Amino acid sequence: DTAVSQTPKYLVTQMGNDKSIKCEQNLGHDTMYWYKQDSKKFLKIMFSYNNKELIINETVPNRFSPKSPDKAHLNLHINSLELGDSAVYFCAAAETETTGELFFGEGSRLTVL
Amino acid sequence: RKEVEQDPGPFNVPEGATVAFNCTYSNSASQSFFWYRQDCRKEPKLLMSVYSSGNEDGRFTAQLNRASQYISLLIRDSKLSDSATYLCVVRHSGAGSYQLTFGKGTKLSVIP
Repeated sequence: DTAVSQTPKYLVTQMGNDKSIKCEQNLGHDTMYWYKQDSKKFLKIMFSYNNKELIINETVPNRFSPKSPDKAHLNLHINSLELGDSAVYFCAAAETETTGELFFGEGSRLTVL
Repeated sequence: RKEVEQDPGPFNVPEGATVAFNCTYSNSASQSFFWYRQDCRKEPKLLMSVYSSGNEDGRFTAQLNRASQYISLLIRDSKLSDSATYLCVVRHSGAGSYQLTFGKGTKLSVIP
């Protein structure tokens, strides 16, 4: 069983569309994250949830809306996709918000045409 | 100044070589330090934590210099399988949250 699983792994879509990426962790960890890795490979935090509560919300356009229905799931919905949204989006889980070991999903590669 | 800075490389070294990567961080209140490894088109994975007194894990040695705000990773006897991007990661707290900041990574290619 994959500890942190994301779907879909690949997503190709047109500008202006709305898309969602789902993430699930079976580790029983308290904290989940969304990171964005752009073409220059820079991994930047977007959001963090601890026990379903939002704790980190970086300067991200409000077209991006995370949702955590329960501790094991953190989904990311993106409205009105733009070319600059093309990136790999990684979900991650950590035992607590102070733990340094993040368990990443395999990533979701989004391409906006 | 970027929060976490690394030489992007690439470092191309022959098998068996010793290679060292450096990383500097700007926030003097940073509390915890880590090295992650990311293989091509894969997710990052924790390689090792970095402790104040320095620590070793097999062929890998990590060191921290708080005064200079500098972290290093030394790899001895490089293997082909060490080829990857090494990410320096720093944790600091602020506004009630504990945030991990990743460097852009240093790319290592070990050549036969």
